Amino acid sequence: GAGVSQSPSNKVTEKGKDVELRCDPISGHTALYWYRQSLGQGLEFLIYFQGNSAPDKSGLPSDRFSAERTGGSVSTLTIQRTQQEDSAVYLCASSLAGGNSGNTIYFGEGSWLTVV
Amino acid sequence: TQLLEQSPQFLSIQEGENLTVYCNSSSVFSSLQWYRQEPGEGPVLLVTVVTGGEVKKLKRLTFQFGDARKDSSLHITAAQPGDTGLYLCAVLILIQGAQKLVFGQGTRLTINP
Repeated sequence: GAGVSQSPSNKVTEKGKDVELRCDPISGHTALYWYRQSLGQGLEFLIYFQGNSAPDKSGLPSDRFSAERTGGSVSTLTIQRTQQEDSAVYLCASSLAGGNSGNTIYFGEGSWLTVV
Repeated sequence: TQLLEQSPQFLSIQEGENLTVYCNSSSVFSSLQWYRQEPGEGPVLLVTVVTGGEVKKLKRLTFQFGDARKDSSLHITAAQPGDTGLYLCAVLILIQGAQKLVFGQGTRLTINP
């Protein structure tokens, strides 16, 4: 696709269930980012991948959150035993390499998660 | 404490007015970015400023990077309803081999017709 693709776009789940959010970055982009945005708030950094490697996972809010990336492409963010405070928009972004090299970071439209 | 403090948090003005929003920090950065986010979409990069004192213009939007590279401002001239959105400043920092694009809390701008 032309842009960063995320699925599902909307997910309503019951408290205690597990959810998986998927991100398809722009083809050829080696850097991939996950962010969380609560209603009306700014973006909270969760994790960054360079290729399949995530050098820093300290942004993940708790051990219920995990993320992986395979084949240097698709990434999955998994939230186990969801809680109501997990309700937010989860945004994925990608760039050609590290953004430090001047490469633009492109965001997907996000996955809106509601935990009831 | 926030690395980037944006002000005001909310701004509602009439079409045709001018406005300025601010992004401040006590840290020095090599570059700073501004994004706009519309409802239901991800943020979109507007501009990157890299030199202290730099001014960049994007149609009716003027971006300035402070001389000390600690702060930035966004000025909109003759605001239009299409300018409505969440304006976010951000900096890219490198910590322990990981790159983080750190955002301010944003300014939610509403332009009333």
